[in-house]
Amino acid sequence: AQSVAQPEDQVNVAEGNPLTVKCTYSVSGNPYLFWYVQYPNRGLQFLLKYITGDNLVKGSYGFEAEFNKSQTSFHLKKPSALVSDSALYFCAVIDNKLIFGAGTRLAVHP
Amino acid sequence: KAGVTQTPRYLIKTRGQQVTLSCSPISGHRSVSWYQQTPGQGLQFLFEYFSETQRNKGNFPGRFSGRQFSNSRSEMNVSTLELGDSALYLCASSFPLAGAEDTQYFGPGTRLTVL
Repeated sequence: AQSVAQPEDQVNVAEGNPLTVKCTYSVSGNPYLFWYVQYPNRGLQFLLKYITGDNLVKGSYGFEAEFNKSQTSFHLKKPSALVSDSALYFCAVIDNKLIFGAGTRLAVHP
Repeated sequence: KAGVTQTPRYLIKTRGQQVTLSCSPISGHRSVSWYQQTPGQGLQFLFEYFSETQRNKGNFPGRFSGRQFSNSRSEMNVSTLELGDSALYLCASSFPLAGAEDTQYFGPGTRLTVL
């Protein structure tokens, strides 16, 4: 069965510093991987996805993710964090439906 | 283009009642999926509809049902509500191309509280 894991419940970053939110996956076949962000009392917003091709995927709001097949990882990154990036981030894999990780809360401090 | 809309945004019901939630997908999108989000279980897939047919179903009891209309709008129904049904119910739509890699776009959700 397909699954994703987000090993960190919370990530704390100072504003202006680079951020990384980790995700590892377990899939059979080609992985179709997604990142979503959720702000308080809001639905999920799509950030980016990896289907095939370049291992570095660029997405919305300056986010990017690096697909690493050997490490079965798909970490979300941003070169310079903003306080407004503070939110709940979900990694997901497609298996006829989206299968989500538990989520990682990102807190960016001024 | 307008996003996915869900109504109502908030709902309070008592145990034993039933509830209907509505979802209007992005114009042109034909697939609608429903997810339940709770603090304990996270995000879990309920079901997916495409062209008025249920295409996939998650692991939820038969009290949870849904349907899709010819205009792609979808409703989900929960009968005989239990306290554990309190959750944020999210609807997502996609425009199926090849299938697996289609991006799902989410609505703001309906917050259901069961007392």
